[in-house]
Amino acid sequence: GEDVEQSLFLSVREGDSSVINCTYTDSSSTYLYWYKQEPGAGLQLLTYIFSNMDMKQDQRLTVLLNKKDKHLSLRIADTQTGDSAIYFCAERNNNDMRFGAGTRLTVKP
Amino acid sequence: DTEVTQTPKHLVMGMTNKKSLKCEQHMGHRAMYWYKQKAKKPPELMFVYSYEKLSINESVPSRFSPECPNSSLLNLHLHALQPEDSALYLCASSQETGYGNQPQHFGDGTRLSIL
Repeated sequence: GEDVEQSLFLSVREGDSSVINCTYTDSSSTYLYWYKQEPGAGLQLLTYIFSNMDMKQDQRLTVLLNKKDKHLSLRIADTQTGDSAIYFCAERNNNDMRFGAGTRLTVKP
Repeated sequence: DTEVTQTPKHLVMGMTNKKSLKCEQHMGHRAMYWYKQKAKKPPELMFVYSYEKLSINESVPSRFSPECPNSSLLNLHLHALQPEDSALYLCASSQETGYGNQPQHFGDGTRLSIL
C-alpha cells in the first residue's frame, strides 16, 4: 500500500470550510507538503510545514500536524469554486518525495 | 504562472519517433527532477539531477534518456516509446537535494500521447 494516504473525494458548498486529511508513515520525514493540481496543469505548491510545528496559517489555508498520530490536515476557509482541484499531500525525506493519491475537491455553488 | 517552464505542452508521437521534452528554470536551483503522472494517480519519480549529475534513476527503461546540459535546463529524450508511456510528464526543481526544507517547484507538464 501507499505510505501516504488520503481520502479520494471531498465535496463542499461554496463559502464553507474544507478539510482535507492525510496520514503518513515515515516518522523521519522532516517536511510535509500540500500541492494543488488543476485540470491539465502541473502541481502548485500551496504550503509546507516543518515537523516540529503543530500549525501553520497562510491566508485562507491552515495546516495542522499531529506528529504523534502522523496525521496532517489542510483547512481551506471560505472555499471558492476556484479551489476545485486535486490536492496532494507529500512527505519528503532527503531525495525521496512520496505523494498521496490525491483528494479531489469539488466546490458546489 | 509557474517558474518552471516545460515545452511542448502537448506531444503526439508514433512508436518509432524520436522526440525530446524540455524543461527550464531560472531560480538558481541545483536539483531538477522528472516525474511521470498517469491519469488519477500521483506523480512517480523517474530521474533526479543534482548539480548537473544524474543522482537517481528509478529503474526507468532506456527508451527514456535524460540530459542536463546546464544548471537551468533539463531534457528528456524519447525513443521507441510504447502506448503505456502515454502520460503527463512533469519537471520540477529545488534548491538542493537531500534537504526536506527545499520544496520542489513543478512545471505545467507535457502531455504525451503515443500512437
